Amino acid sequence: EPEVTQTPSHQVTQMGQEVILRCVPISNHLYFYWYRQILGQKVEFLVSFYNNEISEKSEIFDDQFSVERPDGSNFTLKIRSTKLEDSAMYFCASSEAGRGGSPLHFGNGTRLTVT
Amino acid sequence: DQQVKQNSPSLSVQEGRISILNCDYTNSMFDYFLWYKKYPAEGPTFLISISSIKDKNEDGRFTVFLNKSAKHLSLHIVPSQPGDSAVYFCAASLTGTASKLTFGTGTRLQVTL
Repeated sequence: EPEVTQTPSHQVTQMGQEVILRCVPISNHLYFYWYRQILGQKVEFLVSFYNNEISEKSEIFDDQFSVERPDGSNFTLKIRSTKLEDSAMYFCASSEAGRGGSPLHFGNGTRLTVT
Repeated sequence: DQQVKQNSPSLSVQEGRISILNCDYTNSMFDYFLWYKKYPAEGPTFLISISSIKDKNEDGRFTVFLNKSAKHLSLHIVPSQPGDSAVYFCAASLTGTASKLTFGTGTRLQVTL
């Protein structure tokens, strides 16, 4: 079964450094997402992306964050200057359709640790 | 943000019996509800969804019930199997914001032999 793949599985970085989290969505999917889960907290929506632009973003997704689809297969999340509170599990997801109830297919996540 | 709540952090059920996982919500504008299962070190896996215009949806061993007046939904797993042991998340989406899921805190289900 096709799956969403994320790399790296674990990223350690120092505060203030830039990080790029990478994702390869399912190939025939058109909608892409980033979610995150801080340890012990809920899974939270960050951003959705369709047709090469952001379609929705949460209040968490401030100017320090950006997303890009640099080619036909990758989808990236960049954090320009990491903060301690950015430490979390970051999940990429994709879906075939963007309508309500469309299942999102999640990757296994990248654990980001900011020291 | 307490719009979606799963008040039971854990549940233990014997193999073969029914597992019932509950979820409450506060926002009457939610139009779709979804259940996800999550194993350790993996991402959430979609299980089943229900539209707010329905009160029941069934897929194999999994059935979701929606009570709009009570703002409550439940996931029934019958019969429960050891492989069902995981964390189960309830999620909801608002009309017009299909991609932005609001998740509950999850319920850890343990299916015992």
